[in-house]
Amino acid sequence: TQLLEQSPQFLSIQEGENLTVYCNSSSVFSSLQWYRQEPGEGPVLLVTVVTGGEVKKLKRLTFQFGDARKDSSLHITAAQPGDTGLYLCAGVGTSGTYKYIFGTGTRLKVLA
Amino acid sequence: EAGVAQSPRYKIIEKRQSVAFWCNPISGHATLYWYQQILGQGPKLLIQFQNNGVVDDSQLPKDRFSAERLKGVDSTLKIQPAKLEDSAVYLCASTGNRGYEQYFGPGTRLTVT
Repeated sequence: TQLLEQSPQFLSIQEGENLTVYCNSSSVFSSLQWYRQEPGEGPVLLVTVVTGGEVKKLKRLTFQFGDARKDSSLHITAAQPGDTGLYLCAGVGTSGTYKYIFGTGTRLKVLA
Repeated sequence: EAGVAQSPRYKIIEKRQSVAFWCNPISGHATLYWYQQILGQGPKLLIQFQNNGVVDDSQLPKDRFSAERLKGVDSTLKIQPAKLEDSAVYLCASTGNRGYEQYFGPGTRLTVT
């Protein structure tokens, strides 16, 4: 069974601080996505990483896919209150069926 | 393009009653997913359709949950009879030909009392 573990589970920081969220598995994924979810809404896709070692930047967010395609990280620089939400990683298996395995989630709160 | 549509947004029922949720995926998206999300956790896959065929329903509690996707477009998820532990948000998502970009609807929040 493929599992994705995220850490930390909860994070409360002050505005302007930096943070990193980790997503780890013992399984290889063909691609990995990061989502942000706000209360009462569905997850919103932030980025997809496909190639091992790939780094993508989205304004103050930097996403990295591990060389072996088993892990990923999300780094936020100078966090803002608008970054508050539940961050989810999701891996797509290598079976070709596009089955998504979701991580346990990281709940981020950025205080003004 | 229009996003994934779901209805209703909220539903409150008593245990042992039945309930149905509806999903309309993004136009042209062949793959449709139903997830259950317990508060504060990641979504758990219930069933995955490719067009109107089932790809994976291994985590669907088939004694009470059923889902169909007639004509390969809209889908319905039904719970009968509901239990207290079914209280959750039910999310529908779809992917297109690229497969690895999944888009979610707003979800249906179900409360079973």
